[in-house]
Amino acid sequence: DAGVIQSPRHEVTEMGQEVTLRCKPISGHNSLFWYRQTMMRGLELLIYFNNNVPIDDSGMPEDRFSAKMPNASFSTLKIQPSEPRDSAVYFCASSPRDRYNSPLHFGNGTRLTVT
Amino acid sequence: SQQGEEDPQALSIQEGENATMNCSYKTSINNLQWYRQNSGRGLVHLILIRSNEREKHSGRLRVTLDTSKKSSSLLITASRAADTASYFCATGVQETSGSRLTFGEGTQLTVNP
Repeated sequence: DAGVIQSPRHEVTEMGQEVTLRCKPISGHNSLFWYRQTMMRGLELLIYFNNNVPIDDSGMPEDRFSAKMPNASFSTLKIQPSEPRDSAVYFCASSPRDRYNSPLHFGNGTRLTVT
Repeated sequence: SQQGEEDPQALSIQEGENATMNCSYKTSINNLQWYRQNSGRGLVHLILIRSNEREKHSGRLRVTLDTSKKSSSLLITASRAADTASYFCATGVQETSGSRLTFGEGTQLTVNP
């Protein structure tokens, strides 16, 4: 299995631009997560999907952030407009079951820099 | 509030020594998981221990869970330079309001050759 695949690995953009991060979860996993990692705040859950449906988006910082999962094999996290404080590493993870009782499989992340 | 808190924040040891990292949490949990993160990579799952278990082993890893003290420890025996990484605990909770998996801030382990 190829694992969770994220693209791009690095993204550098200017403030105000739209940024789209992509994720392909492990086939057969029905839970998908977007996390953000920074030195100051650690690892934060942004949004959690189960069977393609958003279950918990309480971690989404503000309306500039949106996430979709149109099918079981693809998800996007969009930031529009981007701001310098959005600079972080964004991880996608998937899990075969509910989020709390089975291991999460992480992608290698997208390092976002907003100048 | 932060559910899992690792201690120490950073640990530096020599190759061959054992490394012990601790995790404390505040509320009742269903399980506790340990993850490793190498620099520039995603987190990798190591061990999941359920609330009714006290100890689990996987290769050179040993995890203990003390629910009365709300704490867990991860022991890496005979450490290697390749064990250098950040280690995170995550607490899994199932409540009527929903489920949560909350990560701590991690322990940075450096194993010197």
